[in-house]
Amino acid sequence: ETGVTQTPRHLVMGMTNKKSLKCEQHLGHNAMYWYKQSAKKPLELMFVYNFKEQTENNSVPSRFSPECPNSSHLFLHLHTLQPEDSALYLCASSQAEQTSSGANVLTFGAGSRLTVL
Amino acid sequence: GQNIDQPTEMTATEGAIVQINCTYQTSGFNGLFWYQQHAGEAPTFLSYNVLDGLEEKGRFSSFLSRSKGYSYLLLKELQMKDSASYLCASLDSNYQLIWGAGTKLIIKP
Repeated sequence: ETGVTQTPRHLVMGMTNKKSLKCEQHLGHNAMYWYKQSAKKPLELMFVYNFKEQTENNSVPSRFSPECPNSSHLFLHLHTLQPEDSALYLCASSQAEQTSSGANVLTFGAGSRLTVL
Repeated sequence: GQNIDQPTEMTATEGAIVQINCTYQTSGFNGLFWYQQHAGEAPTFLSYNVLDGLEEKGRFSSFLSRSKGYSYLLLKELQMKDSASYLCASLDSNYQLIWGAGTKLIIKP
C-alpha cells in the first residue's frame, strides 16, 4: 500500500466506550499529525509527532490520547467521548515538521468518520 | 487573532472558469497552500505560493499577493470531477498552518 491509510473508515461509539483510530503511512515521512474536521469549520490541529516524539498538543481534552510507536504508525485512543466529538478525524504525514528550512506538503488519509451517541 | 476567509460555496458551469478567493490575516507569513478535498476523500495538495505572482499547473493556477494578504485559485475548463471542497491554509511565523473552512465548489452541466 502507498500513501496514508486510516482505519476504521467509520466508527459509531457510545459515550462510555473505548476505541482507537489507526493511521499508517508508507511514505518514509518523519512527521505525523491528527486533525479534527467538522462541517463548515477549519481543520483543527490536535497532535503532532516528529520522529516519534510529540511536539504539539493543541489543548486537546484528555479523552483523546495519541500514541506513536514508530514513524510509520499513529493511533488516537478514544475514551468517554462526548457527542460534540463526532467529526471526521484526519491523519496526515509530511517529510518533516514545518520549519524555517522549508514548508512541507501534508499527505492526508481519507479519515475516520466518528459518531458518538 | 489569526483568520482565513474564503467563500462557503460557489457554483460554476462545466467548461467555464472559476476563481476561488482566500484572504488571510496571520501572525507573519511563510506561504500559502491550496488543497482539494472530494467528498469522503483525503485532502490532496494542489499548490504552495510564497512569492507574489501567479503559478500555473495545467488547468489550475494559484495567485498570491503578500501585500494584500490575498490569494486565489483559478480553475479553467471546468470538469465535473472538479466538484470538491477547496481548502486554503496560511503558514504563520511559527510555521503553524492556519486553515480556512473551505469552499465547496459545485459544477453544473
